[in-house]
Amino acid sequence: GAVVSQHPSRVICKSGTSVKIECRSLDFQATTMFWYRQFPKQSLMLMATSNEGSKATYEQGVEKDKFLINHASLTLSTLTVTSAHPEDSSFYICSATSGPGQPQHFGDGTRLSIL
Amino acid sequence: AQSVAQPEDQVNVAEGNPLTVKCTYSVSGNPYLFWYVQYPNRGLQFLLKYITGDNLVKGSYGFEAEFNKSQTSFHLKKPSALVSDSALYFCAVRVSGSGNTGKLIFGQGTTLQVKP
Repeated sequence: GAVVSQHPSRVICKSGTSVKIECRSLDFQATTMFWYRQFPKQSLMLMATSNEGSKATYEQGVEKDKFLINHASLTLSTLTVTSAHPEDSSFYICSATSGPGQPQHFGDGTRLSIL
Repeated sequence: AQSVAQPEDQVNVAEGNPLTVKCTYSVSGNPYLFWYVQYPNRGLQFLLKYITGDNLVKGSYGFEAEFNKSQTSFHLKKPSALVSDSALYFCAVRVSGSGNTGKLIFGQGTTLQVKP
């Protein structure tokens, strides 16, 4: 149980393109979803916290107009990287939890490469 | 300030030997503690958690962790390491006062290398 599906797993695109990443909880309802960014051999950096039906809460230094988050239902959240540039290239990981005392369950990540 | 520290960037053990990956934390109130494992180019997999109860927590794949309140530690252990345990391990603590979000703070990660 507690499976989180993240798509796509890899994206390569040109600078200026917008890229959408989907995160789905397959077998549980996720009250909260999280979006992280991870640089090579580093820890996860939380970008934003997303609750179903409400606006995402962004961490300090994360541009909300650059990284658009939509949490349309209890099983789906999307992250759109708008007008992506090479510096946005990274490994993006989502997670979902059914409650604050429960573990976060992670997707397999999306490797984004902007040329 | 709330924080999690994993003092070792890398831990090397021989297959069959016991392993320990260290974690210390600093939070206000009672800690909710977690261990996750990450294989290359994958997301994190949940191993175990401590919220309350017995200080020794058993988790997936034969791993266990010991909560020590006086030392503010939550070290990950396994009696007999396997080569397939080689991966990146993260300790995490739930942020106090994060409301209903369950937001986590992660340690910097420890690479475990198990040699045959």
